[in-house]
Formats: sequence, structure tokens, C-alpha cells
Amino acid sequence: AQSVTQLDSQVPVFEEAPVELRCNYSSSVSVYLFWYVQYPNQGLQLLLKYLSGSTLVKGINGFEAEFNKSQTSFHLRKPSVHISDTAEYFCAVTLFGGSQGNLIFGKGTKLSVKP
Amino acid sequence: NAGVTQTPKFQVLKTGQSMTLQCAQDMNHEYMSWYRQDPGMGLRLIHYSVGAGITDQGEVPNGYNVSRSTTEDFPLRLLSAAPSQTSVYFCASRRQGSNTGELFFGEGSRLTVL
Repeated sequence: AQSVTQLDSQVPVFEEAPVELRCNYSSSVSVYLFWYVQYPNQGLQLLLKYLSGSTLVKGINGFEAEFNKSQTSFHLRKPSVHISDTAEYFCAVTLFGGSQGNLIFGKGTKLSVKP
Repeated sequence: NAGVTQTPKFQVLKTGQSMTLQCAQDMNHEYMSWYRQDPGMGLRLIHYSVGAGITDQGEVPNGYNVSRSTTEDFPLRLLSAAPSQTSVYFCASRRQGSNTGELFFGEGSRLTVL
């Protein structure tokens, strides 16, 4: 079975600083990887996804993530954060070629951007 | 363009009461699912459906029932609410046939069981 570990539950950072949110996954088969963002009192929305091809994936709002198969990681990065990036971020995994496509989520990382 | 609509947004129940959380989507998505979100636990899958008449259990199905009589609707029923079911519930949908598609979420239903 797959699992996802988000290594930091909270990440405080100052505005305009770079940030990295870490995600490791465990699976015996190939997977697809996703990052979702949840703003306060809202549902989740997709930031980016890795399906195949280039290991560097660019998403919305200036975020990017790099898939590292040997380290089973999919860390999310942004070179310069804004106050508006304050939110909770979830890493998720699903089986490559799986018919149901159920997403398994990590426990989330709360990003707090301070002025 | 409504997307995924959940009702109610807030609900308070007493232990033992029953209720139904409603979920409707207008994107003609075959796949629909229910997650619960608890602090420090992330999102956990309760039940899912890959089409009308087809449902299956997720990671935490106990205490919940679902049905899928139409493509648009996927209600979640709590038969006898317990304090452990206090949570925020999210409904999500996407196209079936490919698990690479984006999962679209509703805005959530916050349930408190006293």
C-alpha cells in the first residue's frame, strides 16, 4: 500500500523568503504525485502534479516540485513567498494505472508567511 | 459554474442522531468521493464511487453509508452519530477512466457531534 509522509507539520517563513515543503512517499509500484493547497475555510485545489516525463514540475502561483525516484520524494518549492501563500499544503499519491484513482493524502503542512 | 456543492456547511448533532450530508456536482464526473479532515490527520477517504450504482469503501468507512443513484449526487449518511465523527467532510469528484485527472473539491461540511 502507498503512504505519504509530510515531514513538517508547520513551516513559518518571512515574506519574500524561499520555502521548501517536504514530502516522501512509500510504494512498491509506480505512482502519480500531487500537491494540493487549502486556504482557510475552503476546499482543496490542485497546485501541481507529476505523472511522467520531466522530474521538475511547475504549478500555479509560482510553485514547483521535483520528483526524485531514488529518494522517493516530491518536495514543493517556491523561491519567494507572499503573505497570500499562507495556507495548508497537502501532498498526495495514487497508483500508476490504478482504475479507482483514490488519492492518499499526507497529514498536511501549514505554511505561515509573516511580514 | 457551480462545480461541487456541499450542504449543509455547518451542522450540530447530538449523539445517536442521524443525518445526511449532500454532495452534488454539475461536471458530469463519474468518480465521486467523501473524505474527512481532522487536525493533524490530513484527509482520509471514507467512501467512493466510480459511477451510478457503484460504491466502495475507503480507509475509514465505519459509521457511514453512501449511495449513488445518479451521476450528479453522492450523499453521505451518518446512521447514528458519535462524537468521533466530529470532523470536516469534503466531497470531491473527477473524470473517471484516468486517475491522472484533477480532483475537484467542495467547500466542506463542518459537523459537530455532542
